[in-house]
Amino acid sequence: AQTVTQSQPEMSVQEAETVTLSCTYDTSESDYYLFWYKQPPSRQMILVIRQEAYKQQNATENRFSVNFQKAAKSFSLKISDSQLGDAAMYFCAYRTPGDKIIFGKGTRLHILP
Amino acid sequence: NAGVMQNPRHLVRRRGQEARLRCSPMKGHSHVYWYRQLPEEGLKFMVYLQKENIIDESGMPKERFSAEFPKEGPSILRIQQVVRGDSAAYFCASSRTVGGRFYEQYFGPGTRLTVT
Repeated sequence: AQTVTQSQPEMSVQEAETVTLSCTYDTSESDYYLFWYKQPPSRQMILVIRQEAYKQQNATENRFSVNFQKAAKSFSLKISDSQLGDAAMYFCAYRTPGDKIIFGKGTRLHILP
Repeated sequence: NAGVMQNPRHLVRRRGQEARLRCSPMKGHSHVYWYRQLPEEGLKFMVYLQKENIIDESGMPKERFSAEFPKEGPSILRIQQVVRGDSAAYFCASSRTVGGRFYEQYFGPGTRLTVT
């Protein structure tokens, strides 16, 4: 069965600094998608970044980038130049070939002014 | 282009009542997914539907829960005889396919169900 594990329930980072959120997953598939979602206090799920497993190049979206290690089944999110608006729950997620998404338990990110 | 719509945003039900949660997918999207989020947890998949068809209901509790996505109108998640443990946020997502390829799932704002 596919699983997604986020080992950091909470993290804090100083404004303008860089922070990395960890995620590992387990699957026997070779082709799949990985995502990071952000959930602010409004509870809206916002897609931050996605990675296709067949692409070796790490995805980047402005201040957000990932470190995708397929052999290690690791998918970490790096946020550069952290801003107060980045404070939220962050969920790592895996999309199965059957198109359902499996989420990790989340990491609550605090931004310190 | 309006996003995924869910209503109501908040729903309070007494134990034993029925809860009906509605989801209107984005325009052009024919796939709907329901997820449940318990407090301090990630979202858990419940069911995947296409118009008039249930594709995958492996995450649905065996009793009291049902879902439909009729040819016309929104998708409905129905919970009969609610219990306190059903209190959660319920999210709907929608996506489209082109040439058999699945595109992103876009999430609605969720419905927070409180059972008293």
